[in-house]
Amino acid sequence: DGGITQSPKYLFRKEGQNVTLSCEQNLNHDAMYWYRQDPGQGLRLIYYSQIVNDFQKGDIAEGYSVSREKKESFPLTVTSAQKNPTAFYLCASSMGTGGPYEQYFGPGTRLTVT
Amino acid sequence: DAKTTQPTSMDCAEGRAANLPCNHSTISGNEYVYWYRQIHSQGPQYIIHGLKNNETNEMASLIITEDRKSSTLILPHATLRDTAVYYCIVYSNYQLIWGAGTKLIIKP
Repeated sequence: DGGITQSPKYLFRKEGQNVTLSCEQNLNHDAMYWYRQDPGQGLRLIYYSQIVNDFQKGDIAEGYSVSREKKESFPLTVTSAQKNPTAFYLCASSMGTGGPYEQYFGPGTRLTVT
Repeated sequence: DAKTTQPTSMDCAEGRAANLPCNHSTISGNEYVYWYRQIHSQGPQYIIHGLKNNETNEMASLIITEDRKSSTLILPHATLRDTAVYYCIVYSNYQLIWGAGTKLIIKP
């Protein structure tokens, strides 16, 4: 089955620790995205990547880092510099970014930092 | 900031058509309107998108006004499984710009 996988579904960390969220896609898509969602709100873009070894900051990139070493993978690291890391994190992919491409979403990772 | 405004919530009877309105009065001529839905604690699901013309697929119809300042998503025969938050989104500068969406509740 083609799609996007995110792991784990739930993640718990202590304040001050970095944590990396996994995102893998087997859709052969060039573009990948990371979003954050807080309760009752829409999605906010953290980072996106249009191609391997290239990525751009979204609206709320502070306290986060990404890498894109392989087409299939786009891991997100939530660093200790992120002031309010507890949130629902969603990864998405699309064929590209230059046209009206549909974004396909993974099931999400719910991160709780205490 | 979101480029769209939607009602916070709506109800619809099962089997009826659900009509979800969206205002996007500042949309530019080359910006698309997208609709996604999100069932609680899951990833959003694509529904439909359009630029100027009305669009229809197996899930829904999208009606865009001639001046493109508003649109309506129509679910022709709503079922209980259509209960979700529906997002009307403008695609701008390679990004989907999300608002808070409309919580649609389908009642038996």
